[in-house]
Amino acid sequence: GENVEQHPSTLSVQEGDSAVIKCTYSDSASNYFPWYKQELGKRPQLIIDIRSNVGEKKDQRIAVTLNKTAKHFSLHITETQPEDSAVYFCAASEEGNSGGSNYKLTFGKGTLLTVNP
Amino acid sequence: KAGVTQTPRYLIKTRGQQVTLSCSPISGHRSVSWYQQTPGQGLQFLFEYFSETQRNKGNFPGRFSGRQFSNSRSEMNVSTLELGDSALYLCASSLELGGASTDTQYFGPGTRLTVL
Repeated sequence: GENVEQHPSTLSVQEGDSAVIKCTYSDSASNYFPWYKQELGKRPQLIIDIRSNVGEKKDQRIAVTLNKTAKHFSLHITETQPEDSAVYFCAASEEGNSGGSNYKLTFGKGTLLTVNP
Repeated sequence: KAGVTQTPRYLIKTRGQQVTLSCSPISGHRSVSWYQQTPGQGLQFLFEYFSETQRNKGNFPGRFSGRQFSNSRSEMNVSTLELGDSALYLCASSLELGGASTDTQYFGPGTRLTVL
């Protein structure tokens, strides 16, 4: 089955700096890669996702890059703010066939990001 | 639209008991997945239901089971509870209208299960 490794497990940055979280996956069939943010005591929320037909996707201060050959993908947060402090999870999944998806998400262990004011 | 809801939010049980957790997906969503979240193992996939059928299953023992009703609401059951079953149980729903793209999963707030 799929195995997702996520690094680092903790990351502390100063407000305004950039933060980068990296994930590797093992199953070459995986082609959907979402990132979730989970604040303390709250549910995970999708912040960005990428599919294997693109190498990079950006949404304001957040970007994700994907290298299918090397089987790794990364989350980039620029101009970090204290409210970015949370646990971030990467995940990988194989997309289903036409007529209905048939997938499960395999998550990394998470990265605790702390943005210091 | 209302988000994914889960009941109860907190539950305390003793070893050997069984428990049933409930998940109501976002209106119109047809797929419901369940995850177990613990500090040591992170988020682990339990199973996924679509149209009242289990489509995918993770690597959990048979004590963990689930079902989905015709209105897409789902329940999961854990029998013969063990101390290690203490965790946050999250469900997530997605639209799944069909096609080749994976739809976004939206998580519920979770049920915090403590086994004493």
